[in-house]
Amino acid sequence: DAKTTQPTSMDCAEGRAANLPCNHSTISGNEYVYWYRQIHSQGPQYIIHGLKNNETNEMASLIITEDRKSSTLILPHATLRDTAVYYCIVRDNYGQNFVFGPGTRLSVLP
Amino acid sequence: ETGVTQTPRHLVMGMTNKKSLKCEQHLGHNAMYWYKQSAKKPLELMFVYSLEERVENNSVPSRFSPECPNSSHLFLHLHTLQPEDSALYLCASSQVFGGPYGYTFGSGTRLTVV
Repeated sequence: DAKTTQPTSMDCAEGRAANLPCNHSTISGNEYVYWYRQIHSQGPQYIIHGLKNNETNEMASLIITEDRKSSTLILPHATLRDTAVYYCIVRDNYGQNFVFGPGTRLSVLP
Repeated sequence: ETGVTQTPRHLVMGMTNKKSLKCEQHLGHNAMYWYKQSAKKPLELMFVYSLEERVENNSVPSRFSPECPNSSHLFLHLHTLQPEDSALYLCASSQVFGGPYGYTFGSGTRLTVV
Protein backbone atom coordinates (compact mmCIF):
# COMPACT_ATOMS: atom_id res chain seq x y z
CA ASP A 1 0.00 0.00 0.00
CA ALA A 2 1.15 3.53 -0.79
CA LYS A 3 2.28 5.37 2.35
CA THR A 4 1.55 8.84 1.00
CA THR A 5 -1.47 11.00 0.31
CA GLN A 6 -1.58 13.57 -2.47
CA PRO A 7 -4.31 15.77 -3.94
CA THR A 8 -6.00 14.14 -6.90
CA SER A 9 -5.44 17.07 -9.23
CA MET A 10 -4.03 20.60 -9.42
CA ASP A 11 -3.87 23.38 -11.97
CA CYS A 12 -1.00 25.80 -12.47
CA ALA A 13 -0.57 28.75 -14.81
CA GLU A 14 2.26 28.51 -17.30
CA GLY A 15 5.37 30.32 -16.06
CA ARG A 16 4.29 30.20 -12.43
CA ALA A 17 5.69 27.93 -9.74
CA ALA A 18 3.87 24.63 -9.25
CA ASN A 19 3.87 23.46 -5.63
CA LEU A 20 2.79 19.85 -5.22
CA PRO A 21 2.17 18.70 -1.63
CA CYS A 22 2.55 15.22 -0.21
CA ASN A 23 1.69 13.87 3.24
CA HIS A 24 3.67 10.96 4.64
CA SER A 25 2.86 11.07 8.34
CA THR A 26 4.00 7.48 9.00
CA ILE A 27 7.42 7.84 7.39
CA SER A 28 10.17 6.05 9.29
CA GLY A 29 13.64 7.35 9.98
CA ASN A 30 15.38 5.46 7.19
CA GLU A 31 12.81 6.13 4.47
CA TYR A 32 13.50 8.57 1.69
CA VAL A 33 10.95 10.70 -0.16
CA TYR A 34 11.04 10.18 -3.93
CA TRP A 35 9.20 12.01 -6.67
CA TYR A 36 8.44 10.71 -10.16
CA ARG A 37 6.21 12.00 -12.90
CA GLN A 38 4.44 10.27 -15.76
CA ILE A 39 3.53 12.09 -18.91
CA HIS A 40 0.58 10.53 -20.73
CA SER A 41 1.29 7.02 -22.05
CA GLN A 42 5.00 7.17 -21.21
CA GLY A 43 7.00 5.50 -18.46
CA PRO A 44 7.50 7.35 -15.17
CA GLN A 45 10.46 9.71 -14.97
CA TYR A 46 12.54 10.11 -11.82
CA ILE A 47 12.61 13.71 -10.61
CA ILE A 48 14.28 14.02 -7.22
CA HIS A 49 14.61 12.41 -3.80
CA GLY A 50 15.66 13.38 -0.30
CA LEU A 51 15.90 12.21 3.29
CA LYS A 52 15.92 15.23 5.60
CA ASN A 53 17.46 18.18 3.86
CA ASN A 54 15.92 20.17 1.08
CA GLU A 55 17.18 19.15 -2.34
CA THR A 56 17.41 20.92 -5.69
CA ASN A 57 18.35 19.75 -9.14
CA GLU A 58 17.83 20.97 -12.68
CA MET A 59 14.22 19.80 -12.72
CA ALA A 60 12.78 20.72 -9.33
CA SER A 61 13.23 21.46 -5.64
CA LEU A 62 12.11 19.23 -2.79
CA ILE A 63 11.19 20.80 0.52
CA ILE A 64 10.81 18.37 3.45
CA THR A 65 9.33 19.59 6.73
CA GLU A 66 11.44 19.32 9.85
CA ASP A 67 9.27 16.53 11.27
CA ARG A 68 9.43 14.80 7.85
CA LYS A 69 5.68 14.18 7.85
CA SER A 70 5.15 16.11 4.64
CA SER A 71 6.99 17.49 1.66
CA THR A 72 6.47 19.75 -1.34
CA LEU A 73 7.80 19.37 -4.84
CA ILE A 74 8.37 22.73 -6.51
CA LEU A 75 8.62 23.25 -10.26
CA PRO A 76 9.86 26.84 -10.30
CA HIS A 77 8.59 27.88 -13.73
CA ALA A 78 6.01 25.42 -14.98
CA THR A 79 5.66 24.86 -18.72
CA LEU A 80 2.99 23.07 -20.70
CA ARG A 81 5.35 20.08 -20.96
CA ASP A 82 5.18 19.68 -17.19
CA THR A 83 1.56 18.52 -17.46
CA ALA A 84 1.73 15.00 -16.01
CA VAL A 85 0.82 12.79 -13.07
CA TYR A 86 3.25 13.36 -10.20
CA TYR A 87 3.92 10.55 -7.73
CA CYS A 88 5.30 10.97 -4.23
CA ILE A 89 6.73 7.73 -2.82
CA VAL A 90 8.47 6.91 0.45
CA ARG A 91 10.92 4.04 0.45
CA ASP A 92 13.89 2.86 2.41
CA ASN A 93 17.09 1.88 0.65
CA TYR A 94 17.33 -1.64 2.01
CA GLY A 95 15.21 -3.50 -0.51
CA GLN A 96 11.80 -1.90 -0.45
CA ASN A 97 10.27 -1.45 -3.87
CA PHE A 98 8.67 1.68 -5.23
CA VAL A 99 4.92 1.49 -4.60
CA PHE A 100 3.04 3.93 -6.81
CA GLY A 101 -0.23 5.47 -5.64
CA PRO A 102 -2.65 7.43 -7.83
CA GLY A 103 -0.50 10.59 -7.69
CA THR A 104 -1.49 14.18 -8.47
CA ARG A 105 -2.56 15.08 -11.98
CA LEU A 106 -0.97 18.49 -12.66
CA SER A 107 -2.39 20.51 -15.52
CA VAL A 108 -0.31 23.50 -16.61
CA LEU A 109 -2.62 25.98 -18.29
CA PRO A 110 -1.60 28.57 -20.92
CA GLU B 1 15.23 7.42 -25.47
CA THR B 2 15.52 7.08 -21.71
CA GLY B 3 18.27 4.44 -21.68
CA VAL B 4 15.74 1.64 -21.27
CA THR B 5 14.28 0.41 -24.55
CA GLN B 6 11.12 -1.66 -24.78
CA THR B 7 9.85 -3.48 -27.85
CA PRO B 8 7.35 -3.64 -29.32
CA ARG B 9 5.71 -0.32 -28.44
CA HIS B 10 2.27 -1.73 -29.27
CA LEU B 11 1.04 -5.32 -29.40
CA VAL B 12 -2.34 -6.82 -30.19
CA MET B 13 -2.68 -10.52 -29.49
CA GLY B 14 -5.40 -13.12 -29.34
CA MET B 15 -6.09 -15.11 -26.20
CA THR B 16 -4.49 -18.23 -27.66
CA ASN B 17 -1.30 -16.53 -28.89
CA LYS B 18 2.16 -16.63 -27.39
CA LYS B 19 4.21 -13.45 -27.53
CA SER B 20 7.16 -11.90 -25.72
CA LEU B 21 7.92 -8.38 -24.56
CA LYS B 22 11.55 -7.29 -24.60
CA CYS B 23 13.39 -4.79 -22.44
CA GLU B 24 16.99 -3.72 -22.92
CA GLN B 25 19.20 -1.36 -20.94
CA HIS B 26 22.80 -0.33 -21.49
CA LEU B 27 23.12 1.76 -18.35
CA GLY B 28 25.22 -0.80 -16.51
CA HIS B 29 22.38 -1.40 -14.06
CA ASN B 30 22.13 -4.63 -12.11
CA ALA B 31 18.43 -4.69 -11.26
CA MET B 32 15.44 -4.82 -13.61
CA TYR B 33 11.71 -4.70 -13.02
CA TRP B 34 8.39 -5.36 -14.75
CA TYR B 35 5.39 -3.18 -13.85
CA LYS B 36 1.83 -3.34 -15.14
CA GLN B 37 -0.37 -0.26 -15.49
CA SER B 38 -4.02 -0.92 -16.23
CA ALA B 39 -6.33 1.87 -17.29
CA LYS B 40 -6.96 4.36 -14.49
CA LYS B 41 -5.01 2.26 -11.97
CA PRO B 42 -1.64 2.82 -10.28
CA LEU B 43 1.42 0.94 -11.42
CA GLU B 44 1.64 -2.60 -10.05
CA LEU B 45 5.00 -4.29 -9.54
CA MET B 46 5.11 -7.72 -11.17
CA PHE B 47 8.67 -9.03 -11.05
CA VAL B 48 12.08 -7.98 -9.74
CA TYR B 49 15.44 -9.26 -10.90
CA SER B 50 18.77 -8.53 -9.25
CA LEU B 51 21.96 -9.75 -10.91
CA GLU B 52 19.83 -11.96 -13.16
CA GLU B 53 18.17 -13.70 -10.22
CA ARG B 54 14.48 -13.26 -9.54
CA VAL B 55 14.08 -11.70 -6.12
CA GLU B 56 10.38 -10.95 -6.12
CA ASN B 57 7.24 -12.31 -7.73
CA ASN B 58 4.14 -10.45 -6.66
CA SER B 59 1.42 -13.09 -7.06
CA VAL B 60 1.41 -12.78 -10.81
CA PRO B 61 -0.55 -15.41 -12.80
CA SER B 62 1.56 -18.09 -14.44
CA ARG B 63 0.46 -16.93 -17.90
CA PHE B 64 3.14 -14.24 -17.39
CA SER B 65 6.64 -15.71 -17.39
CA PRO B 66 9.72 -13.49 -16.96
CA GLU B 67 13.21 -14.25 -18.16
CA CYS B 68 16.45 -12.40 -17.46
CA PRO B 69 19.27 -13.96 -19.52
CA ASN B 70 21.78 -11.27 -18.56
CA SER B 71 21.82 -7.99 -16.68
CA SER B 72 21.04 -5.98 -19.82
CA HIS B 73 17.98 -7.87 -21.02
CA LEU B 74 14.63 -8.74 -19.56
CA PHE B 75 11.75 -10.54 -21.24
CA LEU B 76 8.12 -11.10 -20.35
CA HIS B 77 6.69 -14.16 -22.07
CA LEU B 78 2.93 -14.12 -22.52
CA HIS B 79 0.58 -17.03 -23.23
CA THR B 80 -3.16 -17.62 -23.05
CA LEU B 81 -3.82 -14.10 -21.82
CA GLN B 82 -7.22 -12.70 -20.90
CA PRO B 83 -8.76 -9.41 -22.08
CA GLU B 84 -8.27 -7.98 -18.57
CA ASP B 85 -4.52 -8.34 -19.12
CA SER B 86 -4.68 -5.48 -21.59
CA ALA B 87 -2.48 -2.76 -20.11
CA LEU B 88 0.72 -0.76 -20.42
CA TYR B 89 3.66 -2.97 -19.43
CA LEU B 90 6.63 -1.02 -18.17
CA CYS B 91 10.20 -2.13 -17.67
CA ALA B 92 12.58 -0.31 -15.35
CA SER B 93 16.17 -0.68 -14.18
CA SER B 94 18.27 0.60 -11.30
CA GLN B 95 21.94 0.51 -10.41
CA VAL B 96 21.35 -2.07 -7.72
CA PHE B 97 18.32 -3.58 -6.02
CA GLY B 98 17.42 -1.27 -3.17
CA GLY B 99 19.92 1.48 -2.55
CA PRO B 100 19.45 5.25 -2.88
CA TYR B 101 18.80 5.20 -6.59
CA GLY B 102 15.80 6.03 -8.65
CA TYR B 103 14.52 3.74 -11.35
CA THR B 104 14.89 4.44 -15.06
CA PHE B 105 11.74 3.41 -16.91
CA GLY B 106 11.20 2.52 -20.52
CA SER B 107 8.33 3.91 -22.57
CA GLY B 108 6.33 0.73 -22.19
CA THR B 109 4.52 -1.76 -24.39
CA ARG B 110 0.82 -1.11 -24.87
CA LEU B 111 -0.76 -4.58 -24.94
CA THR B 112 -4.27 -5.28 -26.16
CA VAL B 113 -5.68 -8.79 -25.77
CA VAL B 114 -8.59 -9.56 -28.06
